[in-house]
Amino acid sequence: DGGITQSPKYLFRKEGQNVTLSCEQNLNHDAMYWYRQDPGQGLRLIYYSQIVNDFQKGDIAEGYSVSREKKESFPLTVTSAQKNPTAFYLCASRAGGEDKNTEAFFGQGTRLTVV
Amino acid sequence: DQQVKQNSPSLSVQEGRISILNCDYTNSMFDYFLWYKKYPAEGPTFLISISSIKDKNEDGRFTVFLNKSAKHLSLHIVPSQPGDSAVYFCAASAHAGGTSYGKLTFGQGTILTVHP
Repeated sequence: DGGITQSPKYLFRKEGQNVTLSCEQNLNHDAMYWYRQDPGQGLRLIYYSQIVNDFQKGDIAEGYSVSREKKESFPLTVTSAQKNPTAFYLCASRAGGEDKNTEAFFGQGTRLTVV
Repeated sequence: DQQVKQNSPSLSVQEGRISILNCDYTNSMFDYFLWYKKYPAEGPTFLISISSIKDKNEDGRFTVFLNKSAKHLSLHIVPSQPGDSAVYFCAASAHAGGTSYGKLTFGQGTILTVHP
């Protein structure tokens, strides 16, 4: 089945620790995105990548880092510099390239809780 | 700088009636618009989209209208069903180059409740 997979579904982290959220897609999409959702809030863009080995900061990139070494993978690291990391994190992918007007497909999300 | 805004946090309608969800944007570079539906603790699912070269797109019970001069789009659901109760997000993207190229920006969402 083609799709986008986020793991783990639930993640607990101690304060001061870095943690990496996984996002894998087998849709052969060029573009990938990371969003954060807080209770009662919309989806805020953290980082996005249009192509392998390239990525751009979104609206709330501080305290986060990403890599895009492979087309199918876009891991997000939440660093200890992120002041309020507890949130629901969503990864998405989109065809991109010449297929510019397409929808983005989302994973099921990772709930990160700092304890 | 909220470039995509959904100013109504919630909407309540009766089953069978029309639901109208609104969205405003400020970035004139946006040229493709999408609506998503989301349940708690799940990823959003795509509903319908519209390109800036059109002013209307229809798919079954869902119709999206785009008014470029007003930088406004709306989603109409007719007839509304209890199963439509969810959070609805509008989103916009730009492909005309510049710093926003490929960026997909979402609004804050509107909670739709359809009462039986």
